[in-house]
Amino acid sequence: AQKVTQAQTEISVVEKEDVTLDCVYETRDTTYYLFWYKQPPSGELVFLIRRNSFDEQNEISGRYSWNFQKSTSSFNFTITASQVVDSAVYFCALGTDKLIFGTGTRLQVFP
Amino acid sequence: SAVISQKPSRDICQRGTSLTIQCQVDSQVTMMFWYRQQPGQSLTLIATANQGSEATYESGFVIDKFPISRPNLTFSTLTVSNMSPEDSSIYLCSVEMVGGYSYEQYFGPGTRLTVT
Repeated sequence: AQKVTQAQTEISVVEKEDVTLDCVYETRDTTYYLFWYKQPPSGELVFLIRRNSFDEQNEISGRYSWNFQKSTSSFNFTITASQVVDSAVYFCALGTDKLIFGTGTRLQVFP
Repeated sequence: SAVISQKPSRDICQRGTSLTIQCQVDSQVTMMFWYRQQPGQSLTLIATANQGSEATYESGFVIDKFPISRPNLTFSTLTVSNMSPEDSSIYLCSVEMVGGYSYEQYFGPGTRLTVT
């Protein structure tokens, strides 16, 4: 069975701090995708990144970076120099077609 | 990417009634999905909306409660039937965009349903 675990329920940081959101997954599939989505208070789900199971290259996009390690089944997300606008719930998801979501991590960035 | 719209954006309904939610995409897509997000919870897949055939439901969801239509490659509807307060959730449609090595799944803005 597939499973996504986001052990951090809530994280609070002060602006400009770096923060890492953890995601651990379980799957027996050899080919799969991993995703991160952001859900701000307005409720919409914003696509951040997709990673293929065969591509373990880390990725950086501005203040965002992602670390994918198949050996530990982890796909962690780091926000550098966090800002108040980063406050949201962040979901990690796994799958092809149907997505299995983690329970989400609520990030609060205080000024 | 895809631009996805949903109608209505929110509604308050009485128990025992039904509500149909519409999902429109600005391009043709093969795969469309419906998810539910109960208050403070994560997203759970309800069903895959198949064009030209019946939807494929996940465990715990049945067609009588959540009938789905997919008349073409850009449109789908989800009906929440005989509603109870436990159906109060955000309902989101999503679409799969595949091309070459690219694979993304985008979500609509959601429909916030409150059942009283």
